[in-house]
Amino acid sequence: EAEVAQSPRYKITEKSQAVAFWCDPISGHATLYWYRQILGQGPELLVQFQDESVVDDSQLPKDRFSAERLKGVDSTLKIQPAELGDSAMYLCASSPRTGVAYEQYFGPGTRLTVT
Amino acid sequence: SQQGEEDPQALSIQEGENATMNCSYKTSINNLQWYRQNSGRGLVHLILIRSNEREKHSGRLRVTLDTSKKSSSLLITASRAADTASYFCATEGNQFYFGTGTSLTVIP
Repeated sequence: EAEVAQSPRYKITEKSQAVAFWCDPISGHATLYWYRQILGQGPELLVQFQDESVVDDSQLPKDRFSAERLKGVDSTLKIQPAELGDSAMYLCASSPRTGVAYEQYFGPGTRLTVT
Repeated sequence: SQQGEEDPQALSIQEGENATMNCSYKTSINNLQWYRQNSGRGLVHLILIRSNEREKHSGRLRVTLDTSKKSSSLLITASRAADTASYFCATEGNQFYFGTGTSLTVIP
């Protein structure tokens, strides 16, 4: 069964350093999502792509976060510089398309710890 | 920001009992979905109910949706220890929002 791949699974970084996460969605899925999940809370949408275009990045802290999906396939989320409050699980999800009722398929996530 | 709020925050039941968790949301939606998350893992989709539907079943799961009250409930019947997880509702309207989650513990 096809799965969403994410790497790394765990990342420890010092504050003010740069960090990047990678996501490879299920083949053929046009829509890709990045979420941040703080321990004990629900996922919060950071950015949504339809193919290579950003559909929604209203909750993305653009002063330090950036996301790209250059060829409309895999995606990278970057944080520079990292802050202590960025410690969280970063989840990537994909779905066949947006605008209709499709479920999202989630990857295993990247656990980020900022020290 | 999170649109959905779930109740209760935590629930502990004996194996074989039914578990009910509720989700309330604030704005109009196209559909509402329920997801399960085992500790430290990614989320798994359970069931989707469209805004024009009132009830949906999938195996031991039953979901209801009341758009006039902006609320939904998830019922898990005959619970098993393997159902122990966090459960989140997610609403899709103009944006996609997850709720705060209910932590379910099923005691063998």
